[in-house]
Amino acid sequence: EVLLLESGGGLVQPGGSLRLSCAASGFTFSSYAMSWVRQAPGKGLEWVSVISGGGGTTYYADSVKGRFTSSRDNSKTTLFLQMNSLRVEDTAVYYCAKVIRSNNYYGLDVWGQGTTVTVSS
Amino acid sequence: QSALTQPASVSGSPGQSITISCTGTSSDVGGYNYVSWYQHHPGKAPKLMIYEVSNRPSGVPDRFSGSKSGYTASLTISGLQAEDEADYYCSSHSSSSTLVVFGGGTKLTVL
Repeated sequence: EVLLLESGGGLVQPGGSLRLSCAASGFTFSSYAMSWVRQAPGKGLEWVSVISGGGGTTYYADSVKGRFTSSRDNSKTTLFLQMNSLRVEDTAVYYCAKVIRSNNYYGLDVWGQGTTVTVSS
Repeated sequence: QSALTQPASVSGSPGQSITISCTGTSSDVGGYNYVSWYQHHPGKAPKLMIYEVSNRPSGVPDRFSGSKSGYTASLTISGLQAEDEADYYCSSHSSSSTLVVFGGGTKLTVL
């Protein structure tokens, strides 16, 4: 069974940092790009970032560029999202997700259950 | 304001068909065949229903279909069922500074 399990969410003050993890199992992790998507309270889904299967290529939403960094450890089949300079508007449920095709970044076919990040003083 | 425009809500009775639209520009929906649709029940993980405009992942009923014309993509659900009631989001590749954009979401109510 293909599974994704996020962890690392919590309460952090504005300007603080947090590192999310996403443990993957049930598929050849290194063959697929992985994405982060978030949903703020009462809002819709927002794409955050994607990282290629090998980890050498990353893309970010304008709203997080320069503050968030996506990385992966293929030996441990784990995806990470380092979030710095957090803002109140970063408060959201963060999902990690796997792309459906190994050769592009689009169509997220497996999602974790999400981890909640709350940025508040 | 979301990059892709969806109606805030649609509704239909069991057995009927509904269509949700997703309008973008030549920089996203109109320029690329990388439109996806997701079903999201509150409190659960989103589920991929359609990818690359019209492809259904394994396990998605053929009641769900996708299409595109010009700058507008569409998700059609036929034979509406109570369990289809959820929020639906479209997304697309974008040639702007953000690689992937989402629509604002559409709440489907099954009457």
